[in-house]
Amino acid sequence: DAKTTQPPSMDCAEGRAANLPCNHSTISGNEYVYWYRQIHSQGPQYIIHGLKNNETNEMASLIITEDRKSSTLILPHATLRDTAVYYCIVRVASTDKLIFGTGTRLQVFP
Amino acid sequence: GAVVSQHPSWVICKSGTSVKIECRSLDFQATTMFWYRQFPKQSLMLMATSNEGSKATYEQGVEKDKFLINHASLTLSTLTVTSAHPEDSSFYICSATQRPETQYFGPGTRLLVL
Repeated sequence: DAKTTQPPSMDCAEGRAANLPCNHSTISGNEYVYWYRQIHSQGPQYIIHGLKNNETNEMASLIITEDRKSSTLILPHATLRDTAVYYCIVRVASTDKLIFGTGTRLQVFP
Repeated sequence: GAVVSQHPSWVICKSGTSVKIECRSLDFQATTMFWYRQFPKQSLMLMATSNEGSKATYEQGVEKDKFLINHASLTLSTLTVTSAHPEDSSFYICSATQRPETQYFGPGTRLLVL
């Protein structure tokens, strides 16, 4: 299974863009990159996923490098409610399993 | 997005008793559901994969006789913690896959074994 590496914590000012990096240098060609977040004492919330191309939805943008060895999740205008642990996960290609790493704890401050 | 519910949201039980946790996909059919466990200040740990109509597949180190999983329908999977002990106290979270690719998670069940 491809592993991911994320910084343990980040801070972001409210209203500014939050850019969360993720390294996945051993990713295989048919493995997707998924991002979830977990607000304290809740189940993880799906944010976005991608394979090769950059993706955008109402929550965030996902930028994947051309060699697919890293990606960045962008929250364009962070709010206090975006404070959470953000998980970057590479989905096992042959199954639907998601293996969670330690994630990045994002703190948005006023 | 798709909605997954869990019941109960929290439960307290005595050591030695069994506890059943339900996971339901409310607005979609899920052929595959997953069960995770999360201890305080730790990440989610995958326990097992549950497929409708077949036996669950357990991750290495997870006791299948201790954590009984039943996936009786396309919208319901249950996890039974048998003969629970204090070390089984944890946050149990299920997820369901909505095709083609995305897993949606339930709100979690907090179990406290006294």
